[in-house]
Amino acid sequence: GNSVTQMEGPVTLSEEAFLTINCTYTATGYPSLFWYVQYPGEGLQLLLKATKADDKGSNKGFEATYRKETTSFHLEKGSVQVSDSAVYFCALSRPGGSNYKLTFGKGTLLTVNP
Amino acid sequence: DVKVTQSSRYLVKRTGEKVFLECVQDMDHENMFWYRQDPGLGLRLIYFSYDVKMKEKGDIPEGYSVSREKKERFSLILESASTNQTSMYLCASSLWQGGYEQYFGPGTRLTVT
Repeated sequence: GNSVTQMEGPVTLSEEAFLTINCTYTATGYPSLFWYVQYPGEGLQLLLKATKADDKGSNKGFEATYRKETTSFHLEKGSVQVSDSAVYFCALSRPGGSNYKLTFGKGTLLTVNP
Repeated sequence: DVKVTQSSRYLVKRTGEKVFLECVQDMDHENMFWYRQDPGLGLRLIYFSYDVKMKEKGDIPEGYSVSREKKERFSLILESASTNQTSMYLCASSLWQGGYEQYFGPGTRLTVT
């Protein structure tokens, strides 16, 4: 079946450090891939997406590239800020059929210290 | 901007009560979803709906039901609340086509005592 595995946290970084959160997936067909962010006490917000192999999604300084050969979609940011502290979720769509459900990873808590 | 609203941010109910959680979206999305989020378990899909009056079970439907009488509104019902239903409940919506990204509401933190 479809599944998403992302690195377990928590991840603690200093401000301006480089961030990588690993995400790998298992899926049939050609899923779309997403990163969502959840700030404390809030719902999930779509951070970026990629819908086909080699696509790069980017937003707010974050980037992720859809790598079909390694079934990965790692999230990166060159210089994190305190305001990036949140939980990050990797997700994939389940194409086909009449329902377009998402499969989520368990989430990675990121804390950025000043 | 897509807006998904949920009727309450915090809710406290007693065991055995019937609980209604309401979700409204303003972007004419066909699909709507209810998840619960628990520490260590991530997001788990309870029910989803791909059209008015249409619904399908998700991964953990036991103890829940749903109602979708209008396209913009999707309700989650706990027929008889139990303490193991204490959780954060998240509603989401998406278009029928496209990249299938889902847009989430702010969540309702439900405590059952």
